Amino acid sequence: KNQVEQSPQSLIILEGKNCTLQCNYTVSPFSNLRWYKQDTGRGPVSLTIMTFSENTKSNGRYTATLDADTKQSSLHITASQLSDSASYICVVTHFDRGSTLGRLYFGRGTQLTVWP
Amino acid sequence: DTGVSQDPRHKITKRGQNVTFRCDPISEHNRLYWYRQTLGQGPEFLTYFQNEAQLEKSRLLSDRFSAERPKGSFSTLEIQRTEQGDSAMYLCASSSLPSFSYNEQFFGPGTRLTVL
Repeated sequence: KNQVEQSPQSLIILEGKNCTLQCNYTVSPFSNLRWYKQDTGRGPVSLTIMTFSENTKSNGRYTATLDADTKQSSLHITASQLSDSASYICVVTHFDRGSTLGRLYFGRGTQLTVWP
Repeated sequence: DTGVSQDPRHKITKRGQNVTFRCDPISEHNRLYWYRQTLGQGPEFLTYFQNEAQLEKSRLLSDRFSAERPKGSFSTLEIQRTEQGDSAMYLCASSSLPSFSYNEQFFGPGTRLTVL
């Protein structure tokens, strides 16, 4: 069964600290993995995307890693800011052979709260 | 703003009433997706259009739900005889015809439905 599991479910950190969010998936065949940030009451916004051949991708203070062998990904946030408070969702894309439809499998997200 | 827009942003209705939501995708995007997201969960796929053709529907899309994209541009999602369990955030996303590896979906801000 294709699944995406994220941990922790929620996390509270102090402003300026670093944190790492985890994503494990069983989606196969795997095409790409994406991390989204979703502010409360808003739609998700893409932070990073990695294919199976990439093992790290950075976007400012966000760095995503991918181990396609163990089917694990992490999102590291450095020097956290209050505006980082949001839900971070791991999304894995699955492509059927001979199809152009990419099915997205969403994790439940990690709710990050940054305190001053 | 040339992103995905949704209307209304919030809808409160009484059980048994019908509601209709609208999504305007990014203008050059051929594909349009509808998702439902409940509190603390990741988005769940509902249905998908390529131009005006509805190519896939999730089992979550009961016969009370109907989606249209009549001219291949904006889309509407209608829920008939709403139930309290329909309360959720309804997200719309759009994408261009994807390359094999990258299927960037851009999300709208969502419509928050509350059924009393």
